[in-house]
Amino acid sequence: NAGVTQTPKFRVLKTGQSMTLLCAQDMNHEYMYWYRQDPGMGLRLIHYSVGEGTTAKGEVPDGYNVSRLKKQNFLLGLESAAPSQTSVYFCASSYGYPSTPHQPQHFGDGTRLSIL
Amino acid sequence: DAKTTQPTSMDCAEGRAANLPCNHSTISGNEYVYWYRQIHSQGPQYIIHGLKNNETNEMASLIITEDRKSSTLILPHATLRDTAVYYCIVRVPGSSNTGKLIFGQGTTLQVKP
Repeated sequence: NAGVTQTPKFRVLKTGQSMTLLCAQDMNHEYMYWYRQDPGMGLRLIHYSVGEGTTAKGEVPDGYNVSRLKKQNFLLGLESAAPSQTSVYFCASSYGYPSTPHQPQHFGDGTRLSIL
Repeated sequence: DAKTTQPTSMDCAEGRAANLPCNHSTISGNEYVYWYRQIHSQGPQYIIHGLKNNETNEMASLIITEDRKSSTLILPHATLRDTAVYYCIVRVPGSSNTGKLIFGQGTTLQVKP
């Protein structure tokens, strides 16, 4: 049971390049989330999804787009990367409301992204 | 949004109990308190959550005051592997249908030999 898997683990981009981060979960979770974590700070929510085909903005959505075409996958896209987007990106998933509304989120091990 | 306040850092001797406090004075009546930890370079790991009653699992115990304005996470016998940042989180009000969490700065727990 892999849990939450993030691909790639590391990436270096040049300013203006685009890329997609992939998150895959095998726990049949309805909800999925993308966070970023900057040095010395807690996690901040970028976007989230409460089901296949749905997405919503979190605290810091600017500069990112997401898609949830399949229940098990949640993609995070950077259309034109900027140095301010250098960060560690974490994906998480959980069961959804109303079946188990208080179930915790399960996190992947992160993608370390540097933008030069 | 409900907010939490935690000490920035704490030390604990190996083998002793680690008691991590959290203040959440603005918590509403139906909001749960969640604790996660993040070991260096890894994704956050769920520890425990609770509403009113004290909770215990294989990792830790959670003590919530009667007025629910504060809580304490207890690691009964801390080991060096428990060195991590511990986050006390109150879920965004009205987010039971989204599960959104707001992470603060957390408490850096250093377990020393």
